[in-house]
Amino acid sequence: SQKIEQNSEALNIQEGKTATLTCNYTNYSPAYLQWYRQDPGRGPVFLLLIRENEKEKRKERLKVTFDTTLKQSLFHITASQPADSATYLCALDPTGGTYKYIFGTGTRLKVLA
Amino acid sequence: EAGVAQSPRYKIIEKRQSVAFWCNPISGHATLYWYQQILGQGPKLLIQFQNNGVVDDSQLPKDRFSAERLKGVDSTLKIQPAKLEDSAVYLCASRRIADKSYEQYFGPGTRLTVT
Repeated sequence: SQKIEQNSEALNIQEGKTATLTCNYTNYSPAYLQWYRQDPGRGPVFLLLIRENEKEKRKERLKVTFDTTLKQSLFHITASQPADSATYLCALDPTGGTYKYIFGTGTRLKVLA
Repeated sequence: EAGVAQSPRYKIIEKRQSVAFWCNPISGHATLYWYQQILGQGPKLLIQFQNNGVVDDSQLPKDRFSAERLKGVDSTLKIQPAKLEDSAVYLCASRRIADKSYEQYFGPGTRLTVT
């Protein structure tokens, strides 16, 4: 069956450390994968997109990797801050062109001061 | 630019009642999505519009849910009759077709509680 899995357990890390979140998928062959941030009571906010031919993408303190062999994307936040505390969602377009998105369950990150 | 607007923000109804949600996407965004997000889960796509046509509604429970996007701008999502399991946040998102990042812009959502 097709599924997208993210760590369901909350991730607590100390301020200043690097947070690493995982997104695994099965039985999809996405052309790209997106990461979103969601704060309580708000809609998700787009962070990054990585395409299947890109190994890594960076934006400020964020880094995303995409391994189509492992069917996995890793999302890193370096020098984490308490303001980074939120739920992070990965999403993919399973059909590679209809722009219809399947989201993972999200991982809740808490950065401790 | 103004963001995606949704109303109401909160709604409490009894089961078997009907409810409607409204969404105004960002100006110029031809693609509009409605998602259902149950607590602790990721958003689940219900329906996707491009302009005023339906692109995908395969996960919309059509016996009770309906959606329309007249004139290719605003959209409404209706539930009739509501069930307890419909308690969730209903998110509207829009996207500009030419955007190469395929970024979706989400509204704040409507939190529905069915008692």
